Amino acid sequence: QVQLQESGPGLVKPSETLSLSCTVSGGSISTYYWSWIRQPPGNGLQWIGYISYSGSTNYNPTLNSRVTISLDTSRNQFSLKLSSVTAADTAVYYCGRGYNWNAGAFNVWGQGTMVTVSS
Amino acid sequence: DIVMTQSPDSLAVSLGEGATINCRSSQSVLYSSNNKNYLAWYQQKPGQPPKVLIYWASTRESGVPDRFSGSGSGTDFTLTISSLQAEDVAVYYCQQYYSTPYTFGQGTKLEIK
Repeated sequence: QVQLQESGPGLVKPSETLSLSCTVSGGSISTYYWSWIRQPPGNGLQWIGYISYSGSTNYNPTLNSRVTISLDTSRNQFSLKLSSVTAADTAVYYCGRGYNWNAGAFNVWGQGTMVTVSS
Repeated sequence: DIVMTQSPDSLAVSLGEGATINCRSSQSVLYSSNNKNYLAWYQQKPGQPPKVLIYWASTRESGVPDRFSGSGSGTDFTLTISSLQAEDVAVYYCQQYYSTPYTFGQGTKLEIK
């Protein structure tokens, strides 16, 4: 049973870079597509972007210039970097896995990690 | 971007009664080459991540009770809970995976009347 676990700082200062990792256990990261999704407090879900098992990426255009998703197959992890953060980036950040037949429907989710942007 | 709009925003239903949640996409999510609707439904309980219930608009995920069903095609979709149980209290989201950026509806909060 594949499990995902997010990790990283819970507090980031405005204008700095948010960095999170997602550790994949119970399966290999070298298959499937891996996404980051976020949810501001009391609000809905926003897809941030994905990275494929081969390292190709696709980002949400609303965040495109600030987002980098990378893969570390040796650690079975993938990571998110979001630069120049503001209070609007305060959210629960989830990592997720797509089905083997499509990148964009998510059948495995991490528990989520709350990130607050504040000085 | 494909905009997903759900209705209603909230819904209160008596235990044992049926519940219906609607979702409309701003453009069709039906892919003509395989005749599949790229639409999923998720359930999110407080403090938990979303859980997929339905994909391809009407295919139930393994382990999901058969009281949950999905229907619709093109731009209009429905999630139906045939007989509401207490554990179904949650927020429900539809999501299109037809094209990036993948987008979600705003959510429908389901409560017990």
